[in-house]
Amino acid sequence: AQSVTQLGSHVSVSEGALVLLRCNYSSSVPPYLFWYVQYPNQGLQLLLKYTTGATLVKGINGFEAEFKKSETSFHLTKPSAHMSDAAEYFCAVSERESGGSNYKLTFGKGTLLTVNP
Amino acid sequence: GAGVSQSPRYKVAKRGQDVALRCDPISGHVSLFWYQQALGQGPEFLTYFQNEAQLDKSGLPSDRFFAERPEGSVSTLKIQRTQQEDSAVYLCASSGHPGQGTQPQHFGDGTRLSIL
Repeated sequence: AQSVTQLGSHVSVSEGALVLLRCNYSSSVPPYLFWYVQYPNQGLQLLLKYTTGATLVKGINGFEAEFKKSETSFHLTKPSAHMSDAAEYFCAVSERESGGSNYKLTFGKGTLLTVNP
Repeated sequence: GAGVSQSPRYKVAKRGQDVALRCDPISGHVSLFWYQQALGQGPEFLTYFQNEAQLDKSGLPSDRFFAERPEGSVSTLKIQRTQQEDSAVYLCASSGHPGQGTQPQHFGDGTRLSIL
């Protein structure tokens, strides 16, 4: 079974400050890890993903995340917050069920990011 | 369109009524997923299709929930005898070849269902 824990349901930063959104996961097999962003009344948009290879992953809008196996973490960062970054962020894990092809996602509960001027 | 399309965007129904939610995936996408997102929560998996075959329905909360994808393209999620706890946003996602698990899921904007 897999699960995702996002520490902090609400994070508030000033414009231009560092953004750090925390995500820890549990998985019985090497996972695929994702960060999605959701704006009000919209679906989820993929920010970045980790599958294999380089553990530092760069995504859209200046975001990046680092996969740390020893810490079972996949924290999302951005050096300088912009007002347009205000949204809900979801960390998700996927693992293929043995012998199957279902890559269903298990999501965390989300972190609401507010950016103050 | 280029993205996943869901309709209606908003649905209000009285308790006990049946509802049907439609998902039009990205053309050519083999895999289709339905998720339920309660207020203030992350999406939770409901069911998965590979083409027209429903390979996983382990997340459907009760036998009142039924999903189909008869021609391997458009999918419909049906909820019978709706209850207030069914109120949520229902998200549909599609992705490409299932053998390539690294392909991301592309989400629609969802259907917000309110049961009165």
